[in-house]
Amino acid sequence: SQQGEEDPQALSIQEGENATMNCSYKTSINNLQWYRQNSGRGLVHLILIRSNEREKHSGRLRVTLDTSKKSSSLLITASRAADTASYFCAPGGANTGRRALTFGSGTRLQVQP
Amino acid sequence: DARVTQTPRHKVTEMGQEVTMRCQPILGHNTVFWYRQTMMQGLELLAYFRNRAPLDDSGMPKDRFSAEMPDATLATLKIQPSEPRDSAVYFCASGPGGTNSNQPQHFGDGTRLSIL
Repeated sequence: SQQGEEDPQALSIQEGENATMNCSYKTSINNLQWYRQNSGRGLVHLILIRSNEREKHSGRLRVTLDTSKKSSSLLITASRAADTASYFCAPGGANTGRRALTFGSGTRLQVQP
Repeated sequence: DARVTQTPRHKVTEMGQEVTMRCQPILGHNTVFWYRQTMMQGLELLAYFRNRAPLDDSGMPKDRFSAEMPDATLATLKIQPSEPRDSAVYFCASGPGGTNSNQPQHFGDGTRLSIL
C-alpha cells in the first residue's frame, strides 16, 4: 500500500502561528501530494513534490521531502482561521502502473482566531 | 474554474432501496475515482476508471455496488440494495491523463448518503 500516515491526528494553534504536519510512508515514491479538506467539502490539491526535490514552496505553504526517512512535512506559516481543515498526504508510488492514490486519516488543524 | 460535479449532494433513503450517485468529471480528464469517507474508516478508494474502462474496483463490495461510465461526461455509482452501513459521504474525483498516482486529483463535494 502507498498510503501515507499523517501526524499529529489533531493540531490546535492560534492565528498567526505556524502549523507543521508530518507524513510517513513505507514504499518508494515518484512524488508526494498534499491535500486539504474543509468541512463538508471535497479534497483540494495543495502541492506536489517530486522524489528528486527536497523542498517546495507555494504561498504560505512549505513542503519538505526526505526520501531516506520516507517522510514529508507540510508547514503553513502565519496561519489564518480559514486554514482550519483536515490535511492529507498521498504518496505516489515508484512503480505506479495503474495504481491510484490512497489517503490516510489526515491531520485535523484548528486555527483559533 | 472547472470542477467535478456530483449529484445529489444529499440523499436519505430507506434500507433496501436502490441509490444512484452521479459524477460529471472535469472535461478532458480521462481518469475517474470513487471514494467513500466515514469517521471510522476514513477515505477509502472504491473504484477507478481510465478512458471509461474500470482499472480497479477491488475496494468495492461487488454484491451490492456497481460503478460505470456510460460516457466520458458521466460516472455512476449504484448501491442495490442499500444498507445502513453504506451511510457515508461518497466522493468522485477526476484527473488528467498520465500515470494515475503522478497527477493531482480534483474532487467533487460529495454525496452525503444516509440509509435509514
